[in-house]
Amino acid sequence: DVKVTQSSRYLVKRTGEKVFLECVQDMDHENMFWYRQDPGLGLRLIYFSYDVKMKEKGDIPEGYSVSREKKERFSLILESASTNQTSMYLCASSLGRGLKPQHFGDGTRLSIL
Amino acid sequence: QKEVEQNSGPLSVPEGAIASLNCTYSDRGSQSFFWYRQYSGKSPELIMSIYSNGDKEDGRFTAQLNKASQYVSLLIRDSQPSDSATYLCAVNITPGNTGKLIFGQGTTLQVKP
Repeated sequence: DVKVTQSSRYLVKRTGEKVFLECVQDMDHENMFWYRQDPGLGLRLIYFSYDVKMKEKGDIPEGYSVSREKKERFSLILESASTNQTSMYLCASSLGRGLKPQHFGDGTRLSIL
Repeated sequence: QKEVEQNSGPLSVPEGAIASLNCTYSDRGSQSFFWYRQYSGKSPELIMSIYSNGDKEDGRFTAQLNKASQYVSLLIRDSQPSDSATYLCAVNITPGNTGKLIFGQGTTLQVKP
């Protein structure tokens, strides 16, 4: 069965901290995505990657960066966490051309205090 | 104007009825369309995709696309309480199938026994 695993289900950090969210997929998918989901705003794409070491900005990349050193792992980095980055973060992956996420992780609910 | 719009609901239907979920989009050049289902507290899962005008059926689910009117619908026949979830419409607004998706806010469906 396919699996996208996010390292933490819940995370609480302080303003100004550097925060790392990790995501691993075991399906050999080329594409990986980071979304955030907020009430009333839906799913918004932060960054995506279509290959190792490749990354593209999504709709709301400000305040975030990503790293993809290995095909199975896609990391989201909050350079200096702020309270407006409190959200549910979802990692996803997909196979082949076409950037529709096919499999999502369980999500990380991040609170910035 | 939002690029992908859905009525947030909740849409309430009795068990066994047909549930009709609607989505409109603003970019006339959109090529591919997707429906995701998200149970409360869970991650989205891809349930339907449609690329050409008309209907596409998969079990109790039918996706309908009308590009001239710029809407896509999801019909759920013989609705069950287990269909109660939020349904997200997503649209690829880039010509071809290589662009990223834009998600609507989702419609919450409640199926009452």
